Amino acid sequence: GENVEQHPSTLSVQEGDSAVIKCTYSDSASNYFPWYKQELGKGPQLIIDIRSNVGEKKDQRIAVTLNKTAKHFSLHITETQPEDSAVYFCALHNTDKLIFGTGTRLQVFP
Amino acid sequence: DTGVSQDPRHKITKRGQNVTFRCDPISEHNRLYWYRQTLGQGPEFLTYFQNEAQLEKSRLLSDRFSAERPKGSFSTLEIQRTEQGDSAMYLCASSLKTGTGMEKLFFGSGTQLSVL
Repeated sequence: GENVEQHPSTLSVQEGDSAVIKCTYSDSASNYFPWYKQELGKGPQLIIDIRSNVGEKKDQRIAVTLNKTAKHFSLHITETQPEDSAVYFCALHNTDKLIFGTGTRLQVFP
Repeated sequence: DTGVSQDPRHKITKRGQNVTFRCDPISEHNRLYWYRQTLGQGPEFLTYFQNEAQLEKSRLLSDRFSAERPKGSFSTLEIQRTEQGDSAMYLCASSLKTGTGMEKLFFGSGTQLSVL
């Protein structure tokens, strides 16, 4: 079945620095790519998504880029803050459901 | 609160017992999903409903698992004869399917199951 590879598994940055998380996939039919943030003891929260007809989408300090030819998409967080610390999951659409990556634990140090 | 609601938040049970979880989706959402998440992993798809119809089940969903959405609103997930390997967070999500393509999925806070 479809697989999503997510890197890195952990990421530590200083407050104010940028963080980048990358995911790669194999199914060229995928056309929807959301990113979720999960805090301890909570369910995943949708933070941004992108559809295959655009290459980039931005929402304040968060942006997502998509390269359909290379089959990878990335989450960019600028000016990181301690409250950005969480586990981030990429996902993609596969026949009416989402397939998730293995997650990236982001730690932002003050 | 108009988000996805799951009950209970935590469940501890002994191996061999049956457990049932409930999910109340966002009220106007016609699709409801169940996912399972183990420590350090991403959510894994189990099954989903459109209204009351169960449209897909994962191979992860053994015959000990059964899900229902009898009136197209809330859903229940039952695990019979629980095993230690069933210990996980069970997540429910809902969405509004209106056309072609994938819609946004909104998750509840999950039910953490521990099988002793």
